[in-house]
Amino acid sequence: DVKVTQSSRYLVKRTGEKVFLECVQDMDHENMFWYRQDPGLGLRLIYFSYDVKMKEKGDIPEGYSVSREKKERFSLILESASTNQTSMYLCASSSGRASDEQFFGPGTRLTVL
Amino acid sequence: GESVGLHLPTLSVQEGDNSIINCAYSNSASDYFIWYKQESGKGPQFIIDIRSNMDKRQGQRVTVLLNKTVKHLSLQIAATQPGDSAVYFCAETPGNNRLAFGKGNQVVVIP
Repeated sequence: DVKVTQSSRYLVKRTGEKVFLECVQDMDHENMFWYRQDPGLGLRLIYFSYDVKMKEKGDIPEGYSVSREKKERFSLILESASTNQTSMYLCASSSGRASDEQFFGPGTRLTVL
Repeated sequence: GESVGLHLPTLSVQEGDNSIINCAYSNSASDYFIWYKQESGKGPQFIIDIRSNMDKRQGQRVTVLLNKTVKHLSLQIAATQPGDSAVYFCAETPGNNRLAFGKGNQVVVIP
């Protein structure tokens, strides 16, 4: 059974902290994505990566960075967390075209106090 | 925490009835479309996809219809069950090597 896993289901951090969200996929997919999901706004793409050490900005990259040192792992970094980054964060992966079917992880609900 | 289903259009359907969920997409050049289901507290899950060279595709209890003339996609669920209660959203490929997601529709199944 294919799987995308995220390091935490729930996370509470304080304003100004550095936050790491980890995502691992076991499907040998080239493409990996980070989204945030907010009520009424749907899924918004933060960053994506189509190969190891490659990254591209999505629609809302400000305040975030990413790291892809290994094919199976894609990390999202909040350099200095702010309250407006409280959200559900979803990781996904796909093979072939980045726009083909994406497989999602269970999500991390991050609260920044 | 807040549910992803807040602020979304809601379809209430009696258990056993058929459900139809609609989606208007934006880009006439999109050539691939997916329907996802998201249950409370979980990540989105693939239901069914369709390419632009088709206008209908059937899965198990689900059918997707594509009308390229009016840029409209629909998902039909036959004999809706309580486990079908979720947020459903469509996704399209607008040509920039990404998926663009709709905001979703909440489906509530009444036993």
